[in-house]
Amino acid sequence: DAGITQSPRYKITETGRQVTLMCHQTWSHSYMFWYRQDLGHGLRLIYYSAAADITDKGEVPDGYVVSRSKTENFPLTLESATRSQTSVYFCASSEQGVGGELFFGEGSRLTVL
Amino acid sequence: GDSVTQMEGPVTLSEEAFLTINCTYTATGYPSLFWYVQYPGEGLQLLLKATKADDKGSNKGFEATYRKETTSFHLEKGSVQVSDSAVYFCALSDPGDTNAGKSTFGDGTTLTVKP
Repeated sequence: DAGITQSPRYKITETGRQVTLMCHQTWSHSYMFWYRQDLGHGLRLIYYSAAADITDKGEVPDGYVVSRSKTENFPLTLESATRSQTSVYFCASSEQGVGGELFFGEGSRLTVL
Repeated sequence: GDSVTQMEGPVTLSEEAFLTINCTYTATGYPSLFWYVQYPGEGLQLLLKATKADDKGSNKGFEATYRKETTSFHLEKGSVQVSDSAVYFCALSDPGDTNAGKSTFGDGTTLTVKP
């Protein structure tokens, strides 16, 4: 089905482990984004990408790594998970940059013990 | 940097009541403004948008008008339903931002509508 899909939807891991959250979109949108959602903070941008092989930091990039080797995929890696990275992570895509509507995945709920 | 400030929640209303959720913003350039809605257990989806001053975005009975003079984009609905219970996010996309292409979100306002 067309759309934007995230996996896994739920993940429990331990402090210090590496975790990768996957994001795949079928629209060939140029822009892709990773946000985290925390109570009292709304959505905060972690990283974004304007095209394949182009990525840039957002508001809260520390502790995260991204790559975009193909237009349709935008994985987010937590290199050494910390409890403060317990959150709900949303991937989004957009056909255009400024002024463009964001299309969101269903989210990945990550718990770091 | 850019910022979006939303009315704090949670907001609880009875069915058929009038809804207003306030949103104000600061931006470097001339932003586009959005309202997104998040239903329980789902991702966000666009509710409405406006791209220039005095534009009115509308969808599903919700409306918001881009007020440049007051830097506001308040969300309104004349008669809410139980199915409108959700979290509402105000957002902007600013061409003047150094990270042009990204959107900045408010903290979200949780709306609960009781029968």
